[in-house]
Amino acid sequence: AQSVAQPEDQVNVAEGNPLTVKCTYSVSGNPYLFWYVQYPNRGLQFLLKYITGDNLVKGSYGFEAEFNKSQTSFHLKKPSALVSDSALYFCAVRAMDTGRRALTFGSGTRLQVQP
Amino acid sequence: GAGVSQSPSNKVTEKGKDVELRCDPISGHTALYWYRQRLGQGLEFLIYFQGNSAPDKSGLPSDRFSAERTGESVSTLTIQRTQQEDSAVYLCASSLFGSSYNEQFFGPGTRLTVL
Repeated sequence: AQSVAQPEDQVNVAEGNPLTVKCTYSVSGNPYLFWYVQYPNRGLQFLLKYITGDNLVKGSYGFEAEFNKSQTSFHLKKPSALVSDSALYFCAVRAMDTGRRALTFGSGTRLQVQP
Repeated sequence: GAGVSQSPSNKVTEKGKDVELRCDPISGHTALYWYRQRLGQGLEFLIYFQGNSAPDKSGLPSDRFSAERTGESVSTLTIQRTQQEDSAVYLCASSLFGSSYNEQFFGPGTRLTVL
């Protein structure tokens, strides 16, 4: 079985400060990892993914995420937050070699960036 | 259109009625997924289609739920004898292939309310 934990329901950060949204996962074997963002009244949008190679992955809108195999984590980061980054963020995983094709999602973390 | 589309955007029905939700994937995408998102929760996998292969139905919560897909195009999700616990946003996603590492593109969802 595969699972994702996003331990924080909400993260508050001031505009211009760095932000981190945490994600840990559990999967048999090697993982594929994804971050998606959901803006109000809009569908989920893909931000970035880790497949293999460099542990630091860069994605859309200045976001990046670091894959840490020993800690089974894939935290989302951005050096300088914008008010427009306020949204709901989902981490997702699936096993590289086995299991269902669909993604297993975390429960989401609401990011609130204050001006 | 360029993205995944879903209809209707909102559906209100009475308990016990059947509903049908529609998804139009991105043209050329062979993989199609249905998820359910209850209020304040993460996405819950329902069913996955890949080309002409047998669908992965392992996420369907009961035999009241079924889905079909015509070739590599439109999919419909049917819920029979709806219950109040079926109230949720139903999200459809498609990806270029069913490979584990392809990101999924999501539609805006259908918000189902069962009275």
